[in-house]
Amino acid sequence: DAGVTQSPTHLIKTRGQQVTLRCSPKSGHDTVSWYQQALGQGPQFIFQYYEEEERQRGNFPDRFSGHQFPNYSSELNVNALLLGDSALYLCASSSQGAYGYTFGSGTRLTVV
Amino acid sequence: KQEVTQIPAALSVPEGENLVLNCSFTDSAIYNLQWFRQDPGKGLTSLLLIQSSQREQTSGRLNASLDKSSGRSTLYIAASQPGDSATYLCAPAESGGGADGLTFGKGTHLIIQP
Repeated sequence: DAGVTQSPTHLIKTRGQQVTLRCSPKSGHDTVSWYQQALGQGPQFIFQYYEEEERQRGNFPDRFSGHQFPNYSSELNVNALLLGDSALYLCASSSQGAYGYTFGSGTRLTVV
Repeated sequence: KQEVTQIPAALSVPEGENLVLNCSFTDSAIYNLQWFRQDPGKGLTSLLLIQSSQREQTSGRLNASLDKSSGRSTLYIAASQPGDSATYLCAPAESGGGADGLTFGKGTHLIIQP
């Protein structure tokens, strides 16, 4: 049973560019959440998707947007990249959070 | 707004010792609480999930307790091994089935010396 799959694993982008990160949830899960983790910090909640709708958002600007597809997979888009967007981006899936979250291995984004 | 504090921030002990990692949170209206470990540069691996109605959960050498009213959880690691070296994170999920996402502290960075 595959867990949460994220792609790509590493990415280098230039300031001002746009990036798309992808996530496939664990089988049986219908809810996908995205987190940003800066070096030495705990993950910070970006937003959560359920039934193809953004259900809740953390304290992140509109440059961060997402999408959930009918097969429950999800994308995170970040526009107008800043150096401060360099971080590990984590995707987590759940069955509406009732039985905890399963995290993927993350995408390491470096903005230069 | 939920805030999570983990103490100690870092811990280095010889293998074989029993350890207690502490987690405190400010809003006790939680749905459940999850403990994770994270190896450097990797994702989070779930260790234990405690529902708000439970007092503790055990998995192998790990035992997690939850005192919701006082906003505290502890992770007990018995007979520590070098492979336990990692950062440990606790994350309470607020009421509503986790729709608000998880709140994390900075974690406890644990090193077990061989």
